[in-house]
Amino acid sequence: GESVGLHLPTLSVQEGDNSIINCAYSNSASDYFIWYKQESGKGPQFIIDIRSNMDKRQGQRVTVLLNKTVKHLSLQIAATQPGDSAVYFCAENMEYSGAGSYQLTFGKGTKLSVIP
Amino acid sequence: DGGITQSPKYLFRKEGQNVTLSCEQNLNHDAMYWYRQDPGQGLRLIYYSQIVNDFQKGDIAEGYSVSREKKESFPLTVTSAQKNPTAFYLCASSHGTGDNEQFFGPGTRLTVL
Repeated sequence: GESVGLHLPTLSVQEGDNSIINCAYSNSASDYFIWYKQESGKGPQFIIDIRSNMDKRQGQRVTVLLNKTVKHLSLQIAATQPGDSAVYFCAENMEYSGAGSYQLTFGKGTKLSVIP
Repeated sequence: DGGITQSPKYLFRKEGQNVTLSCEQNLNHDAMYWYRQDPGQGLRLIYYSQIVNDFQKGDIAEGYSVSREKKESFPLTVTSAQKNPTAFYLCASSHGTGDNEQFFGPGTRLTVL
């Protein structure tokens, strides 16, 4: 089956720099994507989402870019802070088991470490 | 204060015992989910429920069971048939399935001794 994957398992950035976390997806029919942040020992928290009719969406200090041509999703964090240290997951909306039910499928995550 | 809660946060059980993990939401969401997360891994879907009194198997349902008798509650039982039950268990809910944000609970860390 098709799956969501990440280019880099770990990323270290200096405090104040911008961070870019990448995600590749292979299901061209996916029409909705989410980025989640998970701090150690906690549940994932929603950061930002994007639908396939958009190629860019901005939030507070975060931007998600969607390139449907190459099936690539990225999360940009501006002026990265120590509190941004966490694991970041992308998720895509996929038809599940061909049953007409759509579920979010999660990638394995990228660990972001911010160096003070 | 709306949200999704899981209890307990930490749970220890002896091998061979069944254990039930609680998940409650007051967000009026129709859909609820259970995921398992192993160290350094992503989330794997165990079971999901789109509506009360209905639930479907996920990718790794073997050794687990669920019920959905109330909209607010979706308890997960880890049975003795689950060969490797030690993991971090996450419950989530959403308005609908697919293109809807899932809200996650804080998780339960189950350790089987």
